[in-house]
Amino acid sequence: GDSVTQMEGPVTLSEEAFLTINCTYTATGYPSLFWYVQYPGEGLQLLLKATKADDKGSNKGFEATYRKETTSFHLEKGSVQVSDSAVYFCALSSNTGTASKLTFGTGTRLQVTL
Amino acid sequence: GAVVSQHPSWVICKSGTSVKIECRSLDFQATTMFWYRQFPKQSLMLMATSNEGSKATYEQGVEKDKFLINHASLTLSTLTVTSAHPEDSSFYICSAEEGLAGPGTQYFGPGTRLTVL
Repeated sequence: GDSVTQMEGPVTLSEEAFLTINCTYTATGYPSLFWYVQYPGEGLQLLLKATKADDKGSNKGFEATYRKETTSFHLEKGSVQVSDSAVYFCALSSNTGTASKLTFGTGTRLQVTL
Repeated sequence: GAVVSQHPSWVICKSGTSVKIECRSLDFQATTMFWYRQFPKQSLMLMATSNEGSKATYEQGVEKDKFLINHASLTLSTLTVTSAHPEDSSFYICSAEEGLAGPGTQYFGPGTRLTVL
């Protein structure tokens, strides 16, 4: 079945540091890939997505590239801020009939300090 | 746009009672809604997929008679935890698929914390 593997956290960085959160996946067919973010006390929010190989999703300075050859979708940001502290979930979508189910990774907690 | 609300945000109940959680899409119509369960420091586990006007599709291992799902309209789905027990204590999250945003793009509610005493 489909699965998503993310690096375990927590990840602790100083403000303005470079961020990489690794994500790899296993899926049949050609899934869409997503990064969701969960800020403290809030629900999950879509951060970015990519729907086909070599697509790059980007939002709020974050970006991730859909790499089919390595089955990866690593999240990167050049300079993190304290406000980026949150839990980040990598996910893939497999179409099953009329619904698109999401399979999530375990989440990676990011803590950014001054 | 694309806001999903849940009510209540938290609930405490006695063992053996039933609890209903509502999930609403506020500014779009959602033919498909999803219910997840999130354990502390763990990922979201899909419980069921809810389609408007039809029976929900439950994931393997989820008791359909315990977790009743009703998707009565294009903006409302409800999850009822029947005869709740302490092991049902968890964080329940709903999401709605907004078709125009592309397949797999789901908008999530803020979640409901259920504590069963």
